[in-house]
Amino acid sequence: SQQGEEDPQALSIQEGENATMNCSYKTSINNLQWYRQNSGRGLVHLILIRSNEREKHSGRLRVTLDTSKKSSSLLITASRAADTASYFCATDEGGAQKLVFGQGTRLTINP
Amino acid sequence: DAGVIQSPRHEVTEMGQEVTLRCKPISGHDYLFWYRQTMMRGLELLIYFNNNVPIDDSGMPEDRFSAKMPNASFSTLKIQPSEPRDSAVYFCASSSWTVSGANVLTFGAGSRLTVL
Repeated sequence: SQQGEEDPQALSIQEGENATMNCSYKTSINNLQWYRQNSGRGLVHLILIRSNEREKHSGRLRVTLDTSKKSSSLLITASRAADTASYFCATDEGGAQKLVFGQGTRLTINP
Repeated sequence: DAGVIQSPRHEVTEMGQEVTLRCKPISGHDYLFWYRQTMMRGLELLIYFNNNVPIDDSGMPEDRFSAKMPNASFSTLKIQPSEPRDSAVYFCASSSWTVSGANVLTFGAGSRLTVL
């Protein structure tokens, strides 16, 4: 089952611009995570936000969570060519131990 | 730690053959997950283990798929017999619930399976 749904499916921006990706989910959660996947590689954890948090920062990443709307956003500021990758949100479906991933947003940073 | 290690990285086989994918999780991690990734279906959770015990195998497509974790440092995912629709990238991931208070996954590099 797909818990998280990312929007947009693909995003292309110029280097230096900010990139925003959104994720919507269906059931209650304890936490929501964002992962990055470079082409041909495994996923890499970026950031986790708990259900009682509204915003979290890590370097150039900013994540927000709105549990009333069951949605989250990932903002990457001052994008770089190295940020080109697919980004996935993952949720724990009502506090379960397993993580369910969305379809991902494919981000392309043009130099 | 070398991270999560998967083998083989690439496997090309013919329909009907048995396929075995292997995973070595990070030492000390008590959860192990098997995911499958395709363009059409995205990342699907197949099965996960906690302390070597299968907890949820509801994502395993059918009886042709089986997974084992005989000890804390090794897991296998077996497909027998394989079919072309099994072609995908299979990921193994491990985590330690007690350390992070949540399941933050460390993924392996994946095993790309092509069934002809």
